[in-house]
Formats: sequence, structure tokens, C-alpha cells
Amino acid sequence: AQSVSQHNHHVILSEAASLELGCNYSYGGTVNLFWYVQYPGQHLQLLLKYFSGDPLVKGIKGFEAEFIKSKFSFNLRKPSVQWSDTAEYFCAVNDYKLSFGAGTTVTVRA
Amino acid sequence: DTAVSQTPKYLVTQMGNDKSIKCEQNLGHDTMYWYKQDSKKFLKIMFSYNNKELIINETVPNRFSPKSPDKAHLNLHINSLELGDSAVYFCASSSHDSYSRNTIYFGEGSWLTVV
Repeated sequence: AQSVSQHNHHVILSEAASLELGCNYSYGGTVNLFWYVQYPGQHLQLLLKYFSGDPLVKGIKGFEAEFIKSKFSFNLRKPSVQWSDTAEYFCAVNDYKLSFGAGTTVTVRA
Repeated sequence: DTAVSQTPKYLVTQMGNDKSIKCEQNLGHDTMYWYKQDSKKFLKIMFSYNNKELIINETVPNRFSPKSPDKAHLNLHINSLELGDSAVYFCASSSHDSYSRNTIYFGEGSWLTVV
């Protein structure tokens, strides 16, 4: 079964700092990769996704992610965070079903 | 227009009761899901239906029974509720077409509290 690892449980940043969240998955075949964001008290929203092609994908709200096949990784980045980026971030991998990582809580201090 | 809508949003009930959560999607998707998010924010798939047929049934107590009357609806019925059932339940849907590649869209969640 697919497993998804998110390296950081809780990240605390100041506004304007850069953010990078790590994600690794276990399956070596063709996968579809996703990052979802969950703002406090809300549902999961799709930030970005990778299916194929350019391994650097851009999503909403200034986020981007890089797929590195050799490392089974799909790390999320944002050059300059805002207070409104405070949320839970989930990496997900889809082979025959969508498997989620445990999530990373990001707290941005004003 | 909400793409994936679920009701109720909040539900407080006593142990031993039976309750249902309803879900509807208007995206024309062929697959629907129920996910459970526990107090530590961990997300776990419970069930998946494709065109009204059950395709994923994870290790879930048989007190939980999904029902899909058509491909736009997937309801979740829970019998004999227990304290440990307290969680947020998310309905979701996706399409297997070549463009969407099974990108999953979530409803707003149903916050279930068992007292």
C-alpha cells in the first residue's frame, strides 16, 4: 500500500519568510501527486497537482511544488508567506486511491 | 453553487444513537468518497463508490454503512454511535477522465460529536 510521509509536523514562521514542506511517497510506479490546504475550521482545498510533464508545478496563492522522481518527493514551497497562510497542509498521492500524509501545521506569525 | 455539499454540518448526539450524513455532488463526477478526519487532523479514507458500486471499503466497523442511490449521492449511516466516532467526516468526489485524473474535491465536512 502507498504511504506518504510529511517530514514536518509543525512549522512556525514569521511573515515574509520562505516556506518549504517536505513530502515523500513510497510507490515507484506512475502516481498523481497533490497538495491540499485546510484553513482553520474549513474543508480541504486543492493547492496544486502534478500528473506529468514539467516537474515544477505552480498552484494557487503563490505556492509551487517540485516533483523529484528519483527521490520519490513532492515538496511544497512558497517564497514569502503571509499570516493568512496559517493552515494545515496535506500531501497526497493517488495510485488507485488517494492516500494522505499526516499533515503539517503551518503557523505564520504577523 | 456548492460543488460537494453535505448535511448536516454539525451534529451532536448521544452514544447509542443512529445518525446519517448526506452528501451530494453536482460536478458530474463518477466516484464519491467518505473520509474521516480525527482530532489529530489525520485523514483516512473509509469508502469509495464508483457509479454506485462500492470499490473501496477500508477497515471500518460495520456500524458504518454507506449508501449510494445514484452517482451524485453518497450517504453515510452510522449505527450505535460510540464516543470514538467523534470526528469530522468529509464527503468527496472525483472523475476518472484523462483530464481530472481522479483529482478529489471535498465537501465542507460534517462535525460529529458523540456525548
